[in-house]
Amino acid sequence: QQQVKQSPQSLIVQKGGISIINCAYENTAFDYFPWYQQFPGKGPALLIAIRPDVSEKKEGRFTISFNKSAKQFSLHIMDSQPGDSATYFCAASIRGGSNYKLTFGKGTLLTVNP
Amino acid sequence: GAVVSQHPSWVICKSGTSVKIECRSLDFQATTMFWYRQFPKQSLMLMATSNEGSKATYEQGVEKDKFLINHASLTLSTLTVTSAHPEDSSFYICSARWAGADTQYFGPGTRLTVL
Repeated sequence: QQQVKQSPQSLIVQKGGISIINCAYENTAFDYFPWYQQFPGKGPALLIAIRPDVSEKKEGRFTISFNKSAKQFSLHIMDSQPGDSATYFCAASIRGGSNYKLTFGKGTLLTVNP
Repeated sequence: GAVVSQHPSWVICKSGTSVKIECRSLDFQATTMFWYRQFPKQSLMLMATSNEGSKATYEQGVEKDKFLINHASLTLSTLTVTSAHPEDSSFYICSARWAGADTQYFGPGTRLTVL
């Protein structure tokens, strides 16, 4: 049973455009939602994270929007750049539960064309 | 801050041999470390969770006798793949968190190829 569903599987955006990746979760006990960026052959790097007490968090060009009632959260990348081309994973965990294990989405391969 | 290293970054070994991968937290004390496996174009699959000084907790379907995990100190965890076979070839990634932190910080990964 996949507890975090991520879409789309792949995304092509033009330079300067907005990239939007969506995730939906099933377990209402989840209370921490990070996004990771992974380049080929590298480990994932934390991009931005949100807790359910806020509906939006912005860091530079990256914004997480969170809808608790819909059990959905999304990553928006503004002014997308070719250097943003990578695989993005959403994740969810229960703070304080099971050693803070992360449940990952299946990933989105983002390609930003110059 | 929050740097996690892995060694080696890649390793090639013959079938039947054992391989040890190290994961180190360089600038924090990692009370919990995680080991993941990732196949090409797929998501991360959690293999096991280890707390310093305790036995690792393995996910369902992961052979604990094949993937030996040791977390002997607050900055070092090791994964030993015993009697490796070609099907064990994969990208192995560790992560770590400190006490009270929500976030896991990942290492750069180790590419294992078993011939």
